[in-house]
Amino acid sequence: GENVEQHPSTLSVQEGDSAVIKCTYSDSASNYFPWYKQELGKRPQLIIDIRSNVGEKKDQRIAVTLNKTAKHFSLHITETQPEDSAVYFCAAGQGGSYIPTFGRGTSLIVHP
Amino acid sequence: SAVISQKPSRDICQRGTSLTIQCQVDSQVTMMFWYRQQPGQSLTLIATANQGSEATYESGFVIDKFPISRPNLTFSTLTVSNMSPEDSSIYLCSVVPGASTEAFFGQGTRLTVV
Repeated sequence: GENVEQHPSTLSVQEGDSAVIKCTYSDSASNYFPWYKQELGKRPQLIIDIRSNVGEKKDQRIAVTLNKTAKHFSLHITETQPEDSAVYFCAAGQGGSYIPTFGRGTSLIVHP
Repeated sequence: SAVISQKPSRDICQRGTSLTIQCQVDSQVTMMFWYRQQPGQSLTLIATANQGSEATYESGFVIDKFPISRPNLTFSTLTVSNMSPEDSSIYLCSVVPGASTEAFFGQGTRLTVV
């Protein structure tokens, strides 16, 4: 089955800095890579995703990159704000019959 | 998209008792997933619940401890049986509706066993 590794487990930045979270996956058949944000006491929610036919996707201050050869993908958040503080989960799986495998999560803390 | 109503949102239970958690989805979905999330940790898949068949459990989770029902395409329950303090955690249900690949989650049940 799929195995997803996520680093770092905790990331502390100053407001305005950039934050990068990295994940690796094991199953070369995986073709869908979403990122979820979970604010304290709330449910995880999708913030951005990428499919294996593209190398980068951007949505305002967040972007995701994918390197299929190396089997890793990353979340980039620019100009971080205190409201970006949350736990971020990466996931990998195969579209169609999709059961996501989640990384262990990264607790992002943005200091004002 | 999918809207999931999960209840109870939290409970405090005595060891040795059982708690049943319910999830209701606003649309029909083939698979529903049950996760456990311990404080500060990731989402651990307990089982996949399919309508009309037995649930599929992940390694480390067994039906006697976590029986699941899936009576129709919009509803599922997870029971945490014979609870011990080690079962204290947040339990979440999740669905991936239709041809979508986005997972939607219930609001979670925070369980404390004393």
